[in-house]
Amino acid sequence: EVQLLESGGGLVQPGGSLRLSCAPSGFSLRSYAMNWVRQAPGKGLEWVSAISNNAGSTYYADSVKGRFTVSRDNSKNTLYLQMSSLGAEDTAVYYCATDAQGAGFDYWGQGTLVTVSS
Amino acid sequence: SYVLTQPPSVSVAPGKTATITCGGHNIGSKSVHWYQQKPGQAPVLVIYYDSDRPSGIPERFSGSNSGNTATLTISRVEAGDEADYYCQVWDSSSDHWVFGGGTKLTVL
Repeated sequence: EVQLLESGGGLVQPGGSLRLSCAPSGFSLRSYAMNWVRQAPGKGLEWVSAISNNAGSTYYADSVKGRFTVSRDNSKNTLYLQMSSLGAEDTAVYYCATDAQGAGFDYWGQGTLVTVSS
Repeated sequence: SYVLTQPPSVSVAPGKTATITCGGHNIGSKSVHWYQQKPGQAPVLVIYYDSDRPSGIPERFSGSNSGNTATLTISRVEAGDEADYYCQVWDSSSDHWVFGGGTKLTVL
């Protein structure tokens, strides 16, 4: 069964940093462009960041550009999202998702909750 | 930045047809993907490239896209279709993925 598992979420103080990880089971991330999508409590989906399969290209939503960094280690079959200068507006469930070569996001993890609060 | 507009809510009786729209400037020139999200669960891709269905998605789900509006149609609606639905496009001018605000489908 194809699965994605996010980890690294938790409670962080405003201005703090956190690194999220996403690891698959049942397949290799190597062939996929990957994305991070977040969902604030009671709100809709917000795309956060994308990275090409070879990490040659990265993309960021305006709301996180300059604060978040997406990366991947294909040898470890893991996707990362380094988040810094966190604010209350970053509180959300963060999902990783595979990019089906432009045909939408076909596999999603179950999400990891990030709470920014003092 | 590119904006996708969805109605906040749509209600439909069981067995009837639900139509959820997604508006955007010249969206007909883009590929639209649709997701279903049930409470407490991750989104699921239900339509890609405007009208294609991933394996496992019932034929009751269909999509179309023309002009300034893309449409997700759910025929013979069932109670299990009650969920939030989101449209999505790739905005090549900004190199951003964009989601619509979501539509809550209520089955009466």
